[in-house]
Amino acid sequence: DTGVSQDPRHKITKRGQNVTFRCDPISEHNRLYWYRQTLGQGPEFLTYFQNEAQLEKSRLLSDRFSAERPKGSFSTLEIQRTEQGDSAMYLCASSFPGDPWNEQFFGPGTRLTVL
Amino acid sequence: KNEVEQSPQNLTAQEGEFITINCSYSVGISALHWLQQHPGGGIVSLFMLSSGKKKHGRLIATINIQEKHSSLHITASHPRDSAVYICAVRRTDKLIFGTGTRLQVFP
Repeated sequence: DTGVSQDPRHKITKRGQNVTFRCDPISEHNRLYWYRQTLGQGPEFLTYFQNEAQLEKSRLLSDRFSAERPKGSFSTLEIQRTEQGDSAMYLCASSFPGDPWNEQFFGPGTRLTVL
Repeated sequence: KNEVEQSPQNLTAQEGEFITINCSYSVGISALHWLQQHPGGGIVSLFMLSSGKKKHGRLIATINIQEKHSSLHITASHPRDSAVYICAVRRTDKLIFGTGTRLQVFP
């Protein structure tokens, strides 16, 4: 399967713990996006990378959240000191900048539950 | 007020019915996307458009840039069309999403 992959698919954690999610984009895509989706809502933009450079961060991304893409390939999203309000689906997408439509291809998501 | 509004939020239909989902936006955009999300989270792109109308099979998407409005139509709906349909607008390099329309089509 050469689509966008995310790991883990599900994560249950206790409040106050740190969690890290991984996203592997489609190999020739150098743009990578992170979104958060809560129940009954559409995805909300968190941050995006072009290669290893983080080009934009949403104000939703508090100082407990950090994202990296050290070699311009896979990316990690870490949440420190998790809170119950962090419970959501975390979606990753990638795109190819040569595409004039900038179509984004989504991974299956990581569902986080904070107890 | 959300920058992207969809209506209705929920929609039920009998198989064979013609479906319309509406999307209005309040910001300047470079393109509008329609996406489909199935239970479990997977999101796939249906249409990307910046003007006029596009058709893929039984799905038709239209956009009116002056009125900042787009519609997604499904002709001859089928139970397998049951999903959440999401409108998103592209501003610079990121997407801003609506809240989605949950469609259920019954046999």
